[in-house]
Amino acid sequence: DAGVTQSPTHLIKTRGQQVTLRCSPKSGHDTVSWYQQALGQGPQFIFQYYEEEERQRGNFPDRFSGHQFPNYSSELNVNALLLGDSALYLCASSLKYGRPYYGYTFGSGTRLTVV
Amino acid sequence: AQTVTQSQPEMSVQEAETVTLSCTYDTSESDYYLFWYKQPPSRQMILVIRQEAYKQQNATENRFSVNFQKAAKSFSLKISDSQLGDAAMYFCAYQLDSSYKLIFGSGTRLLVRP
Repeated sequence: DAGVTQSPTHLIKTRGQQVTLRCSPKSGHDTVSWYQQALGQGPQFIFQYYEEEERQRGNFPDRFSGHQFPNYSSELNVNALLLGDSALYLCASSLKYGRPYYGYTFGSGTRLTVV
Repeated sequence: AQTVTQSQPEMSVQEAETVTLSCTYDTSESDYYLFWYKQPPSRQMILVIRQEAYKQQNATENRFSVNFQKAAKSFSLKISDSQLGDAAMYFCAYQLDSSYKLIFGSGTRLLVRP
């Protein structure tokens, strides 16, 4: 049973560029959440997708956007990259809106470096 | 504002000994869940243990147990018989039953001495 798969594992981009990160949820899961983890900090919630719609959003600017596809996979897009966007981006999948009862399965993340 | 505080940036324990990691949280809600996650160098967050706030009994998972003090808003993790594989970052997290997001603390790095 495949867990959460994220690609790429590492990425280097230049300030001002745009980036797309991808996530395939665990088999059977229908909800995908994205988190940003800056170095030495805990993950911060970016947003969650369920039924191809953004259900909840954290305190992130509109430069951060996402999409969920009919097969439940998801993309995170970041426009106009800033140095401060350098972080580990984690994807977490779950069932039914990510209600805490069902728990989350995390991927190993994409390490984004902005230079 | 809902916050999670981990006041120990780093802890060290001798193999086979017991260690306790501290966590406090702040919320005015009554229905929520608390979690401890482990993040090894592989970077994947792995759920260690979960506690429902409405349950008075402390959760246990093999060598891992929690001390949940709801009135004090405290949620500590005890690791018994520590093993080298327990070395990792440990994050305390909180989620309202009505919310879709986890709120994490800043983490505690656990070192295990052989």
